[in-house]
Amino acid sequence: GAVVSQHPSWVICKSGTSVKIECRSLDFQATTMFWYRQFPKQSLMLMATSNEGSKATYEQGVEKDKFLINHASLTLSTLTVTSAHPEDSSFYICSASRLEQFFGPGTRLTVL
Amino acid sequence: GQQLNQSPQSMFIQEGEDVSMNCTSSSIFNTWLWYKQDPGEGPVLLIALYKAGELTSNGRLTAQFGITRKDSFLNISASIPSDVGIYFCAGQLMAGSARQLTFGSGTQLTVLP
Repeated sequence: GAVVSQHPSWVICKSGTSVKIECRSLDFQATTMFWYRQFPKQSLMLMATSNEGSKATYEQGVEKDKFLINHASLTLSTLTVTSAHPEDSSFYICSASRLEQFFGPGTRLTVL
Repeated sequence: GQQLNQSPQSMFIQEGEDVSMNCTSSSIFNTWLWYKQDPGEGPVLLIALYKAGELTSNGRLTAQFGITRKDSFLNISASIPSDVGIYFCAGQLMAGSARQLTFGSGTQLTVLP
């Protein structure tokens, strides 16, 4: 199967700090990974498309300088939430694309 | 991003009953996908549909890709308690290597014993 992992699964941080979330495709290489955020009882909203070796493409309304994405290899993409604020608290989910998209288990971010 | 129109929003059914949910779009998609999400988890792919008119089964699940390419439905037969969760449809346009998904708003399924 196609397995995607995320680390950490949950994180609590203080307002103003930065948090890094890792997304790994464990058994396949993914030239493209996607980052989503999901608020309670809502659908997944695409934040950005991460391409290996190039800059990420951000969706309208998503701040590039706040949500830093690095796709350093064909199996790893990272999302860094910089200067986190309570409104950034959410469930962040990555996916890696083969023919279909396979999702990681998500990271619950709580900013105090 | 845009969302698909998914209905119903929620369903309460008795164990053993069949379930049907659907998604419609004003845009054409080349691929339709159905995912299930359990609380605190990422979505898990249930069925992928690649051709208009295609009918695909996965155990008790059956999904169809509408002929117009603007809709899809998912049926679950003989529901069991572990079917509880949120079901999302997603449309995909194979545009270059982007392969972005557009998600439906989800159907919350509750199975009563």
